[in-house]
Amino acid sequence: DQQVKQNSPSLSVQEGRISILNCDYTNSMFDYFLWYKKYPAEGPTFLISISSIKDKNEDGRFTVFLNKSAKHLSLHIVPSQPGDSAVYFCAASAWGAQKLVFGQGTRLTINP
Amino acid sequence: DTGVSQNPRHKITKRGQNVTFRCDPISEHNRLYWYRQTLGQGPEFLTYFQNEAQLEKSRLLSDRFSAERPKGSFSTLEIQRTEQGDSAMYLCASSASGGGETQYFGPGTRLLVL
Repeated sequence: DQQVKQNSPSLSVQEGRISILNCDYTNSMFDYFLWYKKYPAEGPTFLISISSIKDKNEDGRFTVFLNKSAKHLSLHIVPSQPGDSAVYFCAASAWGAQKLVFGQGTRLTINP
Repeated sequence: DTGVSQNPRHKITKRGQNVTFRCDPISEHNRLYWYRQTLGQGPEFLTYFQNEAQLEKSRLLSDRFSAERPKGSFSTLEIQRTEQGDSAMYLCASSASGGGETQYFGPGTRLLVL
């Protein structure tokens, strides 16, 4: 049972435009959500997180939105840059649990 | 560099051999995690330590797998009698205890079992 789903395996965006990556989850016990970025042959790099008590968190060009009623979160990158080309994973953890549950990832390609 | 480090970065072995990987977490972090990632999938949780205590193990961690964190600092993950299905990227992460479990990952060890 895939508790965290990223339904778009890939996304292509023009440089300077907005990139929107989506993630859905099924476990209502999840209360902390994270986005990681991964380059080939490297480990995931933490980007931004959000607690379930918030619906938005911003850090520079990155904003994460959380819609608890829809069990949906999204990552917005504005403006998109060529260096943003990577695989993006969303992850979630439940209160009291330590493990992260990851989605399958979305490959983002920024075109010049 | 004070991030999470893992050694070796790559390991090629023959089926049936034993392999051991090492992870050095961020120094002030008392929690350490092992994950496994296969092609096209997100990382999957294997096990977790708080200090030297192994507090959770996934069903993915068969009895051929063992992890230790003897002094609450570095950790080792050993796979005995490797199988071709063990080929994957093995990722280590660490975090500080407290609210907001942001885990920071190392570069991973890529294992290929021939």
